[in-house]
Amino acid sequence: GAGVSQTPSNKVTEKGKYVELRCDPISGHTALYWYRQSLGQGPEFLIYFQGTGAADDSGLPNDRFFAVRPEGSVSTLKIQRTERGDSAVYLCASSPSTGRGLETQYFGPGTRLLVL
Amino acid sequence: DAKTTQPTSMDCAEGRAANLPCNHSTISGNEYVYWYRQIHSQGPQYIIHGLKNNETNEMASLIITEDRKSSTLILPHATLRDTAVYYCIVRAPNDYKLSFGAGTTVTVRA
Repeated sequence: GAGVSQTPSNKVTEKGKYVELRCDPISGHTALYWYRQSLGQGPEFLIYFQGTGAADDSGLPNDRFFAVRPEGSVSTLKIQRTERGDSAVYLCASSPSTGRGLETQYFGPGTRLLVL
Repeated sequence: DAKTTQPTSMDCAEGRAANLPCNHSTISGNEYVYWYRQIHSQGPQYIIHGLKNNETNEMASLIITEDRKSSTLILPHATLRDTAVYYCIVRAPNDYKLSFGAGTTVTVRA
């Protein structure tokens, strides 16, 4: 079956612009996560959705970052007034239910964001 | 606070077993050891997890020491496609976040 998909695969933007990154989770998965990976480092947690609601957004670095999941499936990560330091790979993952109870998270290929 | 310590990099020969160490000396009694790997330009991929017993699946084996302070991931017959960054992660049953460190960059050489 289809895995987690993310679009675009690459995004180049200019400092100060607004960007949206999309994640399509595995069908039926209710838990969805966003992570950010800087060059040479492991992924860092940003936000976790359980259904339509953000259950934990403690990893979002500041209020320029926002994510939605209005119908409990597709999610969009939105970054306002982008800065060069936002350049990274943004990874999305999904899992069948709550994410707890040792559920496996399935990752997409990521969106590579470059802010010039 | 890093919960795990892994070597930065290691090489192994194609067709041989690759043994990847991980130290997790502060692991709590209910925390599991998870391994993920990330092939270049892909998202992380789950490999295996365990609590205290050794575990084996189609991808790898996980050996956890009796005191649970360290573990070893074993790739029994490494192939060039196993070249990746391997992450050892300690995870409590109610954790939904995965806390990745820097991992071990494994290069399998022909």
